[in-house]
Amino acid sequence: DAGVTQSPTHLIKTRGQQVTLRCSPISGHKSVSWYQQVLGQGPQFIFQYYEKEERGRGNFPDRFSARQFPNYSSELNVNALLLGDSALYLCASSTRGRLAGDFGELFFGEGSRLTVL
Amino acid sequence: AQSVSQHNHHVILSEAASLELGCNYSYGGTVNLFWYVQYPGQHLQLLLKYFSGDPLVKGIKGFEAEFIKSKFSFNLRKPSVQWSDTAEYFCAVTLGSGGYQKVTFGTGTKLQVIP
Repeated sequence: DAGVTQSPTHLIKTRGQQVTLRCSPISGHKSVSWYQQVLGQGPQFIFQYYEKEERGRGNFPDRFSARQFPNYSSELNVNALLLGDSALYLCASSTRGRLAGDFGELFFGEGSRLTVL
Repeated sequence: AQSVSQHNHHVILSEAASLELGCNYSYGGTVNLFWYVQYPGQHLQLLLKYFSGDPLVKGIKGFEAEFIKSKFSFNLRKPSVQWSDTAEYFCAVTLGSGGYQKVTFGTGTKLQVIP
C-alpha cells in the first residue's frame, strides 16, 4: 500500500519567491497535517485539515496557507520566502480528526526539503 | 501552550546496553503522549503511544515508555539496544480534549548504537 507521498522531494528557491508543496494522504485518510522541521529541531505544527476544512493552525505567519482538495490531497503554499523558511516540510495523514481531541496515529511522508537562497 | 523537553540531544551506546531517553512535558490537563522514531533515510513513524489506562506502554521493537503523571514525564526505555536502533527519537504530546490534531514535538534525541 502506498504511504503518504510528497512532492517535490527537494527544491531551491530564492528570497521573495513563492512555493507550493503537495501531499497525497494514505488512501482512506481524510485528515492531513503539515509540519515544518528546521535542522536540529523537532517538527512544528503548521496546519491541520479534515474534510477540506481547516481544523487548526500553528504559530506561522499569513505567508503560509494551505488547502485540501475533494480527493483529500493537500497543498501548502508559502509566499514571499525568507531564508528562515529553509526547512523540511512534512505532511502527515490520519483517519481521524473530525472532532476536537479525536486523535489517531499520524502517518508521515518523507518530506519536501526547501532551501531558500 | 504545551511544550516538550528532551534532555539528551545525542546518546551513544554500545550494543546490548540499556537505553533510557528522558521526556518531560508542560501541560496540566489531560494529554496524549507519543514517541516517534526516524531511522536514517526514512520517514517519521510511531513507536508507541499513551492515551489512558496502564501507564506502562509497550511499543514496537521492544521499546516501552512509562507515563508518570506526577513528574510530567514519559521516558522511553529499551533493556538491550541493537545497532538497528540507531535513529532519531522524538517525544510528542497532544491535548486530550478540546484541541485539534496539533502534535507538539520535542527537539529529538539522536541515538547512535556502536556494534
